[in-house]
Amino acid sequence: GDSVTQMEGPVTLSEEACLTINCTYTATGYPSLFWYVQYPGEGLQLLLKATKADDKGSNKGFEATYRKETTSFHLEKGSVQVSDSAVYFCALSDRGSSGGSYIPTFGRGTSLIVHP
Amino acid sequence: ETGVTQSPTHLIKTRGQQVTLRCSSQSGHNTVSWYQQALGQGPQFIFQYYREEENGRGNFPPRFSGLQFPNYSSELNVNALELDDSALYLCASIRSYTYGYTFGSGTRLTVV
Repeated sequence: GDSVTQMEGPVTLSEEACLTINCTYTATGYPSLFWYVQYPGEGLQLLLKATKADDKGSNKGFEATYRKETTSFHLEKGSVQVSDSAVYFCALSDRGSSGGSYIPTFGRGTSLIVHP
Repeated sequence: ETGVTQSPTHLIKTRGQQVTLRCSSQSGHNTVSWYQQALGQGPQFIFQYYREEENGRGNFPPRFSGLQFPNYSSELNVNALELDDSALYLCASIRSYTYGYTFGSGTRLTVV
């Protein structure tokens, strides 16, 4: 079945450092890929998305490129802020080999801690 | 846009009891899905409804059941609660699978 693998956290950075959170996936179909962010005590918020190979999703300074050849969707930001501290989830939606409804699959999440 | 709202926000139940969690979908979204998120884990897909019909189910036992109503609001019912059912339960709605899900803030269920 489909799966999403994220790098283990926590990732601890100083403010203005560069961020990369690795995400790789396996899927039977042609998935759409997403990054979600979860702040303490809240639900998940969609951060960015990409629906086909070579698409780049971007939002709030974060970027991720859909790499079909490496089945990856790494999240990057050039300069993190304290307010970026949260848990980040990589996810995919795929119709699957049976051609049924789209079922979402989430990674386990990567905690990011940014120090002033 | 009104967003996705869930109720209640917190709940404490005793093992063996039954619980109903509620979700109001975002306006214009006809698909709703439910997730269980244990502490420190990613959301685990429970099931999904499209126009009142279940159209996908994760690896959860039948004591987890749901409904979607004509106004696209939804309920998650869990019977015979177990201690391991303690988790954050998230509801999410969607307009199109390529747009991503809009999540509610969740219901924190504690089973004692």
